[in-house]
Amino acid sequence: DVQMTQSPSSLSASVGDRVTIACRASQGISTYLAWYQQQPGKVPKLLIYSASTLQSGVPSRFSGSGSGTDFTLTISGLQPEDVATYYCQNYRNAPYSFGQGTKLEIK
Amino acid sequence: QVQLVESGGGVVQPGMSLRLSCAASGFMFNAHDMHWVRQAPGKGLEWMSFIRYDGSRHSYAESLKGRLTISRDNSKNTLYLQMNSLRSEDTAVYFCAKGYGAIDSWGQGTLVIVSS
Repeated sequence: DVQMTQSPSSLSASVGDRVTIACRASQGISTYLAWYQQQPGKVPKLLIYSASTLQSGVPSRFSGSGSGTDFTLTISGLQPEDVATYYCQNYRNAPYSFGQGTKLEIK
Repeated sequence: QVQLVESGGGVVQPGMSLRLSCAASGFMFNAHDMHWVRQAPGKGLEWMSFIRYDGSRHSYAESLKGRLTISRDNSKNTLYLQMNSLRSEDTAVYFCAKGYGAIDSWGQGTLVIVSS
C-alpha cells in the first residue's frame, strides 16, 4: 500500500505570503494525486487533481506540482479564508490513502 | 446539483453492527464510482472503501478489511456501508463521496458513536 506523508503538519503565515505544503508518496504514483481543503467545521473540498489541474471554481492562487513521489501545493498570496487543513491523496491504486493533513493558520 | 445525503449513524454499542446509507441525486449515480471516507473527532481523513460505478469492483483500507462491506443499488441511487464488530475507535463522521479517483463531491456526513 502507498503511504502519504505531508510536511509540515502545521504552519502559520501572514496574509499575502506564499505558502508551500509538501506531500511524499512511499512509492511512485505518477500524477495520480489530489489536494483537498477542509475549512473548520466544513466538508472537504477538492482543490487540485492530477497533481496540477485546478478544479473548476478554485481560485488561481492555488497551484500544484510534482510527479512520481514528490508533490507540492502552493498558495500564492495567502488569504484569510485559506485557513484550513489541507490533505493530499493518492489515487493511483487502491487503497486511496490520504496524507495526515497540514493545518494552516494566519499569523 | 450533486447531493449526497448520508443516514444510519447514531450511538451503537461495541461489537454491534451498523449499516450506513447514502442517497444520491443530481447526477447519474450509475455512471460514477463512489467512496466512503471517515474522520474521527479532531483527526484527519481516512479513506475506507470504494466501489466501481457498476458494482463490479470494490476495495477496502487494509486496516478495515474483513469488517466492511460496501454495496450500491443503482436502481435506488443509494450507496451502502455495512460495518461489523464496531469498536470505540470507529467513532467518527462518515462521509459518502463521489469521484473517479479524485473525490469531487462529498456528503455532509453522518456521525457514528461507538459507546457502551
